[in-house]
Amino acid sequence: GAGVSQSPSNKVTEKGKDVELRCDPISGHTALYWYRQSLGQGLEFLIYFQGNSAPDKSGLPSDRFSAERTGGSVSTLTIQRTQQEDSAVYLCASSWTGLSNQPQHFGDGTRLSIL
Amino acid sequence: DAKTTQPNSMESNEEEPVHLPCNHSTISGTDYIHWYRQLPSQGPEYVIHGLTSNVNNRMASLAIAEDRKSSTLILHRATLRDAAVYYCILSVWGSGDKLTFGTGTRLAVRP
Repeated sequence: GAGVSQSPSNKVTEKGKDVELRCDPISGHTALYWYRQSLGQGLEFLIYFQGNSAPDKSGLPSDRFSAERTGGSVSTLTIQRTQQEDSAVYLCASSWTGLSNQPQHFGDGTRLSIL
Repeated sequence: DAKTTQPNSMESNEEEPVHLPCNHSTISGTDYIHWYRQLPSQGPEYVIHGLTSNVNNRMASLAIAEDRKSSTLILHRATLRDAAVYYCILSVWGSGDKLTFGTGTRLAVRP
């Protein structure tokens, strides 16, 4: 079956531009997560959606970052006025229920480079 | 946050078993132990998870100490494809299952 799909796979943009990253979770998964991984670093949690509940935004590094999940499925992560420190791989994951005993399934990420 | 400690790197020979250790001395009773791995240029891949009892699946086995303060991921016969960074993570009940990744163990497999 189809896994988590992210697009684009690579994005190069100039400092100050806005970018949108897309995630298509596995069908039927109610929980969706965004993480980012900077060069040589571990994964950093950004935001978590669970069903119709208010998202957990506790990991967003600044108000330039926002995300939405439409219709409980596709999610878009938006970074406004990009900075060079935003360069990283942005990873999306989904799971059935968001409970701690459920595995998360990751996409292969979007590699974002800010010039 | 519940923390885990893993060796930075390990090496193994192909077709030999590999035991990857993880210490989690501050684990709480409801925390699940998860293992993920990440191959180069890919997203993390779920390997296995458990709570108290040892677990087996097609990829690996998970041995959990009786006091739950440590665990070991066992790859029964390492292959070159198993070369990856392995992350041991505690999934804290009530945290929305968001995972806190450490730096993991980089496993090299010698042919």
